[in-house]
Amino acid sequence: GAGVSQSPRYKVAKRGQDVALRCDPISGHVSLFWYQQALGQGPEFLTYFQNEAQLDKSGLPSDRFFAERPEGSVSTLKIQRTQQEDSAVYLCASSLGTGYREQYFGPGTRLTVT
Amino acid sequence: KNQVEQSPQSLIILEGKNCTLQCNYTVSPFSNLRWYKQDTGRGPVSLTIMTFSENTKSNGRYTATLDADTKQSSLHITASQLSDSASYICVVSYSNSGYALNFGKGTSLLVTP
Repeated sequence: GAGVSQSPRYKVAKRGQDVALRCDPISGHVSLFWYQQALGQGPEFLTYFQNEAQLDKSGLPSDRFFAERPEGSVSTLKIQRTQQEDSAVYLCASSLGTGYREQYFGPGTRLTVT
Repeated sequence: KNQVEQSPQSLIILEGKNCTLQCNYTVSPFSNLRWYKQDTGRGPVSLTIMTFSENTKSNGRYTATLDADTKQSSLHITASQLSDSASYICVVSYSNSGYALNFGKGTSLLVTP
């Protein structure tokens, strides 16, 4: 079956522009996660959804970052007024249940802010 | 502050050789520890997941060990193949929910012919 997909795979934005990154989780997966991975670093947690509810957004670095999952399936991570430090790979993962469950990662979106 | 430390940072081995990657963590309270393989340009793929009560788990040529007392884990790769070239990331979960993950920076492994 299809895995987690993300689009676009690559995004170049000029500083100050808004961007929207899309994640299509595995069908039926309840949990959805967003991570930010800087070059040469491990991923860092941004936010967690259980169905349409955003249960944890403690990792969002600033109020310029906003995530939604309105129908409990597709999720969008929006970054407003992008800055150079936002350049990173943004990974989305989904899992079938809640809590201690295997997370399946998408290929990521590489964002470059110039 | 990274609570998951991995060593070595990078490693080069010859095809067919074995290697062991290390992970030390300070995350507490501990829920589970995972090893992921991340190929360049791809998302991480899970190799093993271990809870507090498990001290070893295998997945093919990959064997992970866990010592929850010393907060150390290792990933042993047997008879390495060129396709093993990737970043190997140790991930520790600390929350009761199990989902909150702390990632190490990874060990970059290069297997050469």
